Amino acid sequence: AQTVTQSQPEMSVQEAETVTLSCTYDTSESDYYLFWYKQPPSRQMILVIRQEAYKQQNATENRFSVNFQKAAKSFSLKISDSQLGDAAMYFCAYRSINAGGTSYGKLTFGQGTILTVHP
Amino acid sequence: DTAVSQTPKYLVTQMGNDKSIKCEQNLGHDTMYWYKQDSKKFLKIMFSYNNKELIINETVPNRFSPKSPDKAHLNLHINSLELGDSAVYFCASSPWTRNYGYTFGSGTRLTVV
Repeated sequence: AQTVTQSQPEMSVQEAETVTLSCTYDTSESDYYLFWYKQPPSRQMILVIRQEAYKQQNATENRFSVNFQKAAKSFSLKISDSQLGDAAMYFCAYRSINAGGTSYGKLTFGQGTILTVHP
Repeated sequence: DTAVSQTPKYLVTQMGNDKSIKCEQNLGHDTMYWYKQDSKKFLKIMFSYNNKELIINETVPNRFSPKSPDKAHLNLHINSLELGDSAVYFCASSPWTRNYGYTFGSGTRLTVV
């Protein structure tokens, strides 16, 4: 079974600065997807960014980018030019795409990291 | 238009009662899920359905019974509610064959007293 670990329960950053959230995962599969989700106090789960394991190029979405290290099974999220609206809980997630597996399509989440943004 | 809608958003009920949470999606997705978020914010899958067929059934007490009348709806019925069932329950949907992230509903906060 896959596991996802976020070792930073809380992080803080000054507005306009850069912060990196860590995520590691464990899997025996060679192909899969990784995601970062944001959950603000409204509790809505919002997709931030997605990475396909077979792509070596790191995904980027505006101020959000990832550092994907497949061999190390590491998937960190970098938020540049942090804004007050970035304050939320961030979840790293793994999606199995092994068509023959019983976990196909299942999203496995990490424990989450609470990000505080200081003005 | 709300993509994945859950009702109700809040549910307070007494121990031993039976309750249902409804979920509907208008995205044309063929796979739907129920996730439970506990008091420590940990998210864990409960069930997934693909075209009304049960695909994933994690170790969930059989007091929880999902029902999918069609691929746009996935309801969750809970019998004999216990204090430990208090949590936020999220419905989500995604295409089966395209590996985008899920689209989540806004969650149902269930409080059992």
